[in-house]
Amino acid sequence: SQWGEENLQALSIQEGEDVTMNCSYKTYTTVVHWYRQDSGRGPALIILIRSNEREKRSGRLRATLDTSSQSSSLSITAAQCEDTAVYFCATDSNTDKVVFGTGTRLQVSP
Amino acid sequence: ETAVFQTPNYHVTQVGNEVSFNCKQTLGHDTMYWYKQDSKKLLKIMFSYNNKQLIVNETVPRRFSPQSSDKAHLNLRIKSVEPEDSAVYLCASSPRTGGSSQNTLYFGAGTRLSVL
Repeated sequence: SQWGEENLQALSIQEGEDVTMNCSYKTYTTVVHWYRQDSGRGPALIILIRSNEREKRSGRLRATLDTSSQSSSLSITAAQCEDTAVYFCATDSNTDKVVFGTGTRLQVSP
Repeated sequence: ETAVFQTPNYHVTQVGNEVSFNCKQTLGHDTMYWYKQDSKKLLKIMFSYNNKQLIVNETVPRRFSPQSSDKAHLNLRIKSVEPEDSAVYLCASSPRTGGSSQNTLYFGAGTRLSVL
């Protein structure tokens, strides 16, 4: 899972498999964002889950949030090669900064 | 479709030089940010501006200074660069309004700085 001073996590899977990436956070947050970053580009938001939601779905993506354990997960169903990217969770405590986790590098092979 | 534009894409310079990076957003957002991304992909916020006013100033060396002429532009100047400044500098904007928790960030493609 990502956060703190841990190094970038790496996952390698085959096309068609399901994958889950975990994130634990340390401070209060009103929302957890999940971003993906493709090579040579900036991160882009893919799904956002609010503190009053336990689960959120968008296409093949599913995000969960457990505020009691301060953890979130992002699952991708039937991963495809184009899902290869670095995925970040980020928290927003309603201040003026969004704080990012350390990221998970996902490699999906044909 | 990119709506946050950063220039240059790459910059190679020597220790001690001054560099300047530009960022412009065409999304009409009030808030802009600079993040630094190191070689391990770690993203750290450096500065945040809301409507030309500095609102977040993380602990960064004094050689870094942001500059905002209007809410659509946020530049970053580094006086006398050091080797540890080698990184990707990412600019972002958000439609943040007071008290809103939907602080979605829209990033530019980044400026990769190499300090020799």
